[in-house]
Amino acid sequence: NAGVTQTPKFQVLKTGQSMTLQCAQDMNHEYMSWYRQDPGMGLRLIHYSVGAGITDQGEVPNGYNVSRSTTEDFPLRLLSAAPSQTSVYFCASSSKIAAGEPRGETQYFGPGTRLLVL
Amino acid sequence: AQTVTQSQPEMSVQEAETVTLSCTYDTSESNYYLFWYKQPPSRQMILVIRQEAYKQQNATENRFSVNFQKAAKSFSLKISDSQLGDTAMYFCAFMKQDHDMRFGAGTRLTVKP
Repeated sequence: NAGVTQTPKFQVLKTGQSMTLQCAQDMNHEYMSWYRQDPGMGLRLIHYSVGAGITDQGEVPNGYNVSRSTTEDFPLRLLSAAPSQTSVYFCASSSKIAAGEPRGETQYFGPGTRLLVL
Repeated sequence: AQTVTQSQPEMSVQEAETVTLSCTYDTSESNYYLFWYKQPPSRQMILVIRQEAYKQQNATENRFSVNFQKAAKSFSLKISDSQLGDTAMYFCAFMKQDHDMRFGAGTRLTVKP
């Protein structure tokens, strides 16, 4: 299993450009999430999905769109990049919480995408 | 909204000694999950330990253990026999049943030889 994969690893954008950060998981997890990590801060939840066709907003959703057409993929779209979106982006996945299952709700993280918006 | 507070931005410990990292959280939920994640310079997020709120017994994983005080909304991490490889950022995290997860700002731990 590859786990959670993210592409690209690093991207430079100009203000106003659009792009999609890709995230895929091969663990058949129902839940997927996107976070951003800014210097000196913890991860902040952008959007998350509890299954194909279902998405919800997290703590800092503005400026980002998501969709979940398959269980495996959860792309994050920046429609018009701004310098404030310069950050490291992490995708994560987890399975449904099952009572007694030791790892049922643990989130597995991808390696991150560094985004620089000029 | 749930909030997670880590009051120690930086800590250091001598190799082989014990260190405790603090975490408090605020929530009105009754069922939730708490985690400690480690982030080395590679930026990879690595799960250290997890605790279900409905369990009274404190979780342990080898040299890592937690002190979970539900009434006080406190979730500290104890690292025993600290090793150089434990040097990293440590994040406390809270997760609701719907997998909405919130992180603290982190504690930078340095293990000194």
